[in-house]
Amino acid sequence: EVQLVESGGDVVQPGGSLRLSCVASGFTFSNYEMNWVRQAPGKGPEWVSYITKSGDATYYADSVRGRFTMSRDNGKNSLYLQMNSLTVEDTAVYYCARDPHAGSRFDQWGQGTLVTVSS
Amino acid sequence: ETVLTQSPATLSLSPGERATLSCRASENVEIYLAWYQQKSGQAPRLLIYDTSNRATGVPARFSGSGSGTDFTLTISSLEPEDFAMYYCQQRKHWPPLTFGGGTRVEVK
Repeated sequence: EVQLVESGGDVVQPGGSLRLSCVASGFTFSNYEMNWVRQAPGKGPEWVSYITKSGDATYYADSVRGRFTMSRDNGKNSLYLQMNSLTVEDTAVYYCARDPHAGSRFDQWGQGTLVTVSS
Repeated sequence: ETVLTQSPATLSLSPGERATLSCRASENVEIYLAWYQQKSGQAPRLLIYDTSNRATGVPARFSGSGSGTDFTLTISSLEPEDFAMYYCQQRKHWPPLTFGGGTRVEVK
């Protein structure tokens, strides 16, 4: 069974940092591109970032570029999102999502981890 | 970026009725459009990809059609578990991958 389990969500003050993790199981992690997708309360999903199978390339939404860094460790079946300079607009549930073909669709999702940015 | 506009915002129907959801793209996305279902407190679930391909395990009552800028998700006969939010997503012009604002299918 495919599983994606996110962790690391927390309450943080504006300007703060947080690192999210996502552990994958039930499939060959290194064979898939991966994404982070977030969803603010009461809003639709918003794509955040993408990483290639090897981790040699990443893409970011304009809203997070320069503040967020996505990475992966295929040996640990793990995905990461380093988030710096957080603002209240970053408050959302963050999902890791599997991508079966570079920049295509999200065929498996984790349960999400909540990031709340508040003073 | 490609903007996806979904309509209606809310669809009020009874179980057994047919649901027709629309997604309009601000530019030609060819066939590269997907649909997701999201229930309260859960992650989105992929239903349809590349306009008309059902994802693994998705019942045949869900179907997708369209091309270019106008797309439709049809649920032929609503089951109680189909009342949820539905989002479309395009992959033709990325980054960024973009989602529509959603349609809520609620019980009439």
